[in-house]
Amino acid sequence: EVQLVESGGGLVQPGGSLRLSCAASGFTFSDREMNWVRQAPGKGLEWVSYISSSGDTIYYADSVKGRFTISRDNAKNTLYLQIKSLRGEDSAVYYCTRDGTGDEFDYWGQGTLVTVS
Amino acid sequence: SYVLTQPPSVSVAPGQTARISCGQNGIGPRRVHWYQKKPGQAPVLVVYDDRDRPTGIPERFSGSNSANTATLTIGRVEAGDEADYFCQVWDSDSYHVVFGGGTKLTV
Repeated sequence: EVQLVESGGGLVQPGGSLRLSCAASGFTFSDREMNWVRQAPGKGLEWVSYISSSGDTIYYADSVKGRFTISRDNAKNTLYLQIKSLRGEDSAVYYCTRDGTGDEFDYWGQGTLVTVS
Repeated sequence: SYVLTQPPSVSVAPGQTARISCGQNGIGPRRVHWYQKKPGQAPVLVVYDDRDRPTGIPERFSGSNSANTATLTIGRVEAGDEADYFCQVWDSDSYHVVFGGGTKLTV
């Protein structure tokens, strides 16, 4: 069974930093592209970042470029998101997602809440 | 930037058919995916590549895509279908994933 379990969220002051983690199991992690997606309270889904299976290719949403860093450790089956210079508008539930056969997100974690205040 | 336009809300009676649109000029060639999001739960993929259903998704959920509008159709709507629905594409021009603003389905 595919499982994605996020951790690392919490309450942080503006300007602060956090590192989110996503532990993957039930599939060959090193074969799959991964993403982070977030949802602010009362808002829609917002894509944050993409990383290829090897980690060689990375993309970011304009709203987080330069402040967020996505990475992965295929030996540990874990995806990361380092977030810096946090702002109020970064407050959201952050989801880790797996790419399906194309560019759809076929599995999502339960999310981790980041509150900037 | 690439923008996907969804109606904020759709209301339908139980047993009827709900249609949720996702509009953008030239969306036809792109592969459109749809997610169901209920409060407190993770999003669930309900349709991918315009019209395919993941394993476990009822046949009541279907999708289509024409020149300027993609549509998620939910037949024989049930109370449990009440949720927010989001369309999504990959924008190869900007290397960005794009979500529509979401549609709240009320049953």
